[in-house]
Amino acid sequence: GAGVSQSPSNKVTEKGKDVELRCDPISGHTALYWYRQSLGQGLEFLIYFQGNSAPDKSGLPSDRFSAERTGGSVSTLTIQRTQQEDSAVYLCASSLGPLGAEAFFGQGTRLTVV
Amino acid sequence: GENVEQHPSTLSVQEGDSAVIKCTYSDSASNYFPWYKQELGKRPQLIIDIRSNVGEKKDQRIAVTLNKTAKHFSLHITETQPEDSAVYFCAASIKSGGGADGLTFGKGTHLIIQP
Repeated sequence: GAGVSQSPSNKVTEKGKDVELRCDPISGHTALYWYRQSLGQGLEFLIYFQGNSAPDKSGLPSDRFSAERTGGSVSTLTIQRTQQEDSAVYLCASSLGPLGAEAFFGQGTRLTVV
Repeated sequence: GENVEQHPSTLSVQEGDSAVIKCTYSDSASNYFPWYKQELGKRPQLIIDIRSNVGEKKDQRIAVTLNKTAKHFSLHITETQPEDSAVYFCAASIKSGGGADGLTFGKGTHLIIQP
């Protein structure tokens, strides 16, 4: 595709439910990042995938959060037993990689936990 | 791992004046420093970047400077205009053959251009 695509663009879920957020990176990009952005706040790093290397999961806030990247392309961020504090915009970015390359962001998924 | 500090968190300047945003990084191996602009409700987008073999880079009203010894880099916007109002993020990255290090972002600076 022309850019990084994320789906859904908006998600409202009830507290305690599980949600899956999807990211389609730019074709050929080996690096993929997930960030979280709360209202008016900065970019909070969650997880980073680079090629076939073990992902850097150091930013995941709790064990309710997990992410996969299948076939080195599409990535899914899963949040289990959602809490209200999980409400935020979840941004995905990809870059040609491995490093020193521009990261392109998707439009984000706005998650609201009610 | 890399740690990137960015300040100020909020910057208000009069239209036409200059704005400077500063970042420091912790890992001396970092060698790629991009700056992203995020307008309200939109995704962050790259506006300028600099690599460690260069001390300064300009693109029209925007410039970035890098001091490797002090491990800090700055974004300079001259002749600010209303459309410059946005949140700006700095980042640092290590160029590696296959390590897991990636982009580390600063917390962001909310730049407000006063008419």
